[in-house]
Amino acid sequence: KQEVTQIPAALSVPEGENLVLNCSFTDSAIYNLQWFRQDPGKGLTSLLLIQSSQREQTSGRLNASLDKSSGRSTLYIAASQPGDSATYLCAARSGGYQKVTFGTGTKLQVIP
Amino acid sequence: DTEVTQTPKHLVMGMTNKKSLKCEQHMGHRAMYWYKQKAKKPPELMFVYSYEKLSINESVPSRFSPECPNSSLLNLHLHALQPEDSALYLCASSQEDAPRGGYTFGSGTRLTVV
Repeated sequence: KQEVTQIPAALSVPEGENLVLNCSFTDSAIYNLQWFRQDPGKGLTSLLLIQSSQREQTSGRLNASLDKSSGRSTLYIAASQPGDSATYLCAARSGGYQKVTFGTGTKLQVIP
Repeated sequence: DTEVTQTPKHLVMGMTNKKSLKCEQHMGHRAMYWYKQKAKKPPELMFVYSYEKLSINESVPSRFSPECPNSSLLNLHLHALQPEDSALYLCASSQEDAPRGGYTFGSGTRLTVV
C-alpha cells in the first residue's frame, strides 16, 4: 500500500527566500507525481505533474524534481512571495491508476 | 475549457434533508471522482466513475449516493447525513485511459450538516 509523507508539516519563511518542500513515497512504481496548492477552504490547484520517466518539471518560480529510486520528490519555490502562502500537497498515482495517494501536506506561510 | 465546476459552493442541510452536489467538466475526461476532505487532512477518495460506470466505492455509507448521468456530469445525492459528514467535498476528473494523466479538481462544496 502506497504511503506518502510530507515534511515539514508547516513552514514559515520571510519573503524572498528560496525554499524546498519534501514528499516521500514508499512504492516507487508510480505512474506520476502531482503537486497541488490549496488555499483555506478551497479546492486543489494543480501546480506541476511529473511523469515517472521524468526527472523534473518547471513552471515559473516552481521546480519539481522526482527521484523514483529513493522515493522522493521535492518542490522548489524561488523568491517566495506572501501570495505563495497555502497548503501544498503532493499526490502519487500508482497501483490501480484510478487511485491517487495524497501526502499529508505542508502548510507554508511567507511573511512580508 | 479546462475547469471542473462544482455547485453549490456552500450547503447547509439538516439531518433529515435530501440534497445533491453537482460536478461538471467539458474536458473529455472519462474518469470522475468524489473526494471528502476534513479540516487539516488530505482528501479521501469516496467514489470513482469510469466511462459513466461506478468502478470504485471506498466503503462509503449508503447515505451518500453517486450518480453519473453522462460523461460530463457527476452528482452526489445526500440523505440523512450526520454532523460528522460536514466537510469539503471535492470533485475531480482525469483521462481514464491515460494513467500518466493528472487530476483536475473543482473548487469544492463546503457542506455543513446541522
